[in-house]
Amino acid sequence: TQLLEQSPQFLSIQEGENLTVYCNSSSVFSSLQWYRQEPGEGPVLLVTVVTGGEVKKLKRLTFQFGDARKDSSLHITAAQPGDTGLYLCAKAGRGAQKLVFGQGTRLTINP
Amino acid sequence: DAMVIQNPRYQVTQFGKPVTLSCSQTLNHNVMYWYQQKSSQAPKLLFHYYDKDFNNEADTPDNFQSRRPNTSFCFLDIRSPGLGDAAMYLCATSRAAGGNTDTQYFGPGTRLTVL
Repeated sequence: TQLLEQSPQFLSIQEGENLTVYCNSSSVFSSLQWYRQEPGEGPVLLVTVVTGGEVKKLKRLTFQFGDARKDSSLHITAAQPGDTGLYLCAKAGRGAQKLVFGQGTRLTINP
Repeated sequence: DAMVIQNPRYQVTQFGKPVTLSCSQTLNHNVMYWYQQKSSQAPKLLFHYYDKDFNNEADTPDNFQSRRPNTSFCFLDIRSPGLGDAAMYLCATSRAAGGNTDTQYFGPGTRLTVL
């Protein structure tokens, strides 16, 4: 059962464009994490959002947690080739020590 | 500087030949995880250790075993690799601070090829 749905699954855009990727669930979650995974590497945590409606910024990346805590979005402004990677959202599984990942959005930024 | 180290980065084995993947950490975290990630898919948790307590996921095949001899090291043993076991294997650690979702720190992964 896929508990977290990410969209789109694949996105290829030109350098300088803006983009938004989404992470949705039918159930409420207490917190949500976003990871970026570059080719041949492990995922790296970008942000954790906890409060409904919360917005966090990380340079050109803006993360939003939905008011109902069932969805989240990641917006990238003026995308650069270095933003290329697999973006994964994850929620706590059964117990804070376990993560359930979405299937990811594979982002390619073309120079 | 590396905090979660995985060896080797690339492993080739033959069908049915046992293989062991290694993970070590310098973070002194009490939780260590093994994930399997197939091409274009999300990481799938196989099992994790909370200190010495082993926690297996219900759908992890018996072919996969793990050992954690001390805080710093954790091993993934695949007893009889099949072609379907070819994947990236990721090790991760967390501090289990309680409260909301722990932050997991991932190693670079070991890419396993089964011939």
